[in-house]
Amino acid sequence: DVQMTQSPSALSASVGDRVTITCRASQSINNWLAWYQQRPGRAPRLLIYEASRLQSAVPSRFSASGSGTEFTLTISSLQPDDFATYYCQQYDNYPTFGQGTKVEIK
Amino acid sequence: QVQLQESGPGLVRPSQTLSLTCTVSGVSVNSGGSYWSWVRQYPGKGLEWIGYIYNSDDTYYNPSLKSRFTISRDTSKNQFSLRLNSVTAADAALYYCATSLQMATFFDYWGQGALVTVSS
Repeated sequence: DVQMTQSPSALSASVGDRVTITCRASQSINNWLAWYQQRPGRAPRLLIYEASRLQSAVPSRFSASGSGTEFTLTISSLQPDDFATYYCQQYDNYPTFGQGTKVEIK
Repeated sequence: QVQLQESGPGLVRPSQTLSLTCTVSGVSVNSGGSYWSWVRQYPGKGLEWIGYIYNSDDTYYNPSLKSRFTISRDTSKNQFSLRLNSVTAADAALYYCATSLQMATFFDYWGQGALVTVSS
């Protein structure tokens, strides 16, 4: 299976900060990568698919890039609603998720 | 508006069978090209894809999991279901049904989740 590794596992940031999360795949996944946001007690919410395509209704402060095995999710200016856990997921092979990155308030 | 909702018993005894149903509204589970998945999440932990049903009742399961799972579909009720045989404490988790209408295996629609506890 394709292993997905996110870094960092957690980070502390302030409102207005620029935040970047990295996701690495154990093999090339041909841009078949999605990013999700999960708030406590809620189901995951799709933010990005195909490595860099913004899902409908997702704020433009979210962006993503990458190809092959290394991908990043960037939040350009962190807002209060953005404190959550973020997961990457590859779908080149059967779906597998990263372990998550928790974004906490500094 | 597409909505998914899980239902099923919150408590299952060890060695018994877990059955969960996902009721879908706003789109037909018979939609060509859509993958209807189950995903589980252990408390405070990450996400694990279990399997999906697609096309004419074709199924595909996570090969890393033991083959105790069965996913089926009832088009007359617009539902799809998960059965897990021989449940153990390790199967206690939050179970989500999820799908994508973009003919891919990421998930743009999720249910709210069904918490399953395993206890005698």
